Amino acid sequence: QVQLKESGPGLVQPSETLSLTCTVSGFSLTSYSVSWVRQPSGKGPEWMGRMWYDGDTAYNSALKSRLSISRDTSKNQVFLKMNSLQTDDTGTYYCTRDAIAYYFDYWGQGVMVTVSS
Amino acid sequence: DIQMTQTPSSMPASLGERVTISCRASQGISNYLNWYQQKPDGTIKPLIYYTSNLQSGVPSRFSGSGSGTDYSLTISSLEPEDFAMYYCQQYDSSPNTFGAGTKLELK
Repeated sequence: QVQLKESGPGLVQPSETLSLTCTVSGFSLTSYSVSWVRQPSGKGPEWMGRMWYDGDTAYNSALKSRLSISRDTSKNQVFLKMNSLQTDDTGTYYCTRDAIAYYFDYWGQGVMVTVSS
Repeated sequence: DIQMTQTPSSMPASLGERVTISCRASQGISNYLNWYQQKPDGTIKPLIYYTSNLQSGVPSRFSGSGSGTDYSLTISSLEPEDFAMYYCQQYDSSPNTFGAGTKLELK
C-alpha cells in the first residue's frame, strides 16, 4: 500500500538549515509527484514545494529563496532542505503524494520541527 | 496569493446532525477546490477533490458543492469519527493555498 514517512531532526537552531527526508513505498517517484506541506501549530497547512515525477521542481514563492527539494529515485526518497530557519518555521512538516494537480491523496504522519536555541 | 476564508472557525454539533462548513476564496477559483480532514493526532485524510468528487473510501455522508468564490462541505449525519478539523484548499492559482480550518466539536 501507499506510504510516506518523514524523518529528520526535531530541533533546529535559529539560522541553521533544516534537512528532512520523505521515504515512500507503494508507488514510484517517476510516476507521481511529491509535495512538502507544513503546518504551524494551530494554523492551516502551507504548501512549500513539489518534486515533479519527471524530476522538475516547483516552489512556493514565499520560500523559494531558502528552499531546495531533491530526490533519489533508487532509494525512493525525496529530500527537503531549507536554510536560515527562524522561530516561525516551527511546525509539523508533511510529505504528500500528488494524485492530480495539487490534490494530495496520501499524507505522511508528519514530523514536528522546533526552531529554538 | 488567493486567501481562503473558512467559516465558522469552530462548530459544536451533535451526533446525527447535518452540518455545513463554508469556504470562500478571495477570487474565483473555477471549482479547483479540495477538502481534507485532520484528526487530533495530526493525521490528514483527503475527502473531496474538484469541489464535489468524493475520494475513494470516503463515506457518502460527505458531499461538496459550490462555484465561483463560495464552496461548502456538508456532512449529512454526523458520526463519532467525524469530529475533527476540516480544511479547504484551492489549486486554481499558484501557490495552492489552504484555509485556516474549521473545528467540528461534539456539543
